[in-house]
Amino acid sequence: EDQVTQSPEALRLQEGESSSLNCSYTVSGLRGLFWYRQDPGKGPEFLFTLYSAGEEKEKERLKATLTKKESFLHITAPKPEDSATYLCAVQADDYKLSFGAGTTVTVRA
Amino acid sequence: DVKVTQSSRYLVKRTGEKVFLECVQDMDHENMFWYRQDPGLGLRLIYFSYDVKMKEKGDIPEGYSVSREKKERFSLILESASTNQTSMYLCASSSVRTDQPYGYTFGSGTRLTVV
Repeated sequence: EDQVTQSPEALRLQEGESSSLNCSYTVSGLRGLFWYRQDPGKGPEFLFTLYSAGEEKEKERLKATLTKKESFLHITAPKPEDSATYLCAVQADDYKLSFGAGTTVTVRA
Repeated sequence: DVKVTQSSRYLVKRTGEKVFLECVQDMDHENMFWYRQDPGLGLRLIYFSYDVKMKEKGDIPEGYSVSREKKERFSLILESASTNQTSMYLCASSSVRTDQPYGYTFGSGTRLTVV
């Protein structure tokens, strides 16, 4: 059974204080690892897809990396508008996504 | 802009009522999914469909059923609503094409409260 564990559950940052979110996974036949951002009361929005160990993707202040067992989402010099819940999901051969419980990030000005 | 549209943002229903949650996508996606999201538990798959009139159980199908009569529409049915079905319900769709690496496209969610 595919398993995805995200840590920490919650992260409180001061504006400009860089940090990282962790997503560890167990899956047979990884097709892709996905990061989503979810604002309160809304559906998740796509951020990144990573396919193989060593791959990195960047978007503004966010950078996602992938190893064979985990992925990291690095937030560099965060701003209050980066406050959200960040979800990690893995996709195996059957096209279904298995999600972690998410990390809720709060950035204070 | 491609979209997954859920018919209601907020719903309040009484225990024992039959509840219909509707989801429509305009991307011609083959796959559609229903999840529920609860604090601390993340997204849990209820049902999914790979094709019209086709459905498969997810991880927590008890108390739910689905219908997919047309490719663009996937309905979630709560046969007899109970208070433990109070949750955020998320619909999503995806394509089987390998050149669309977005995983799922999600709707905005329906916050269902059963009283």
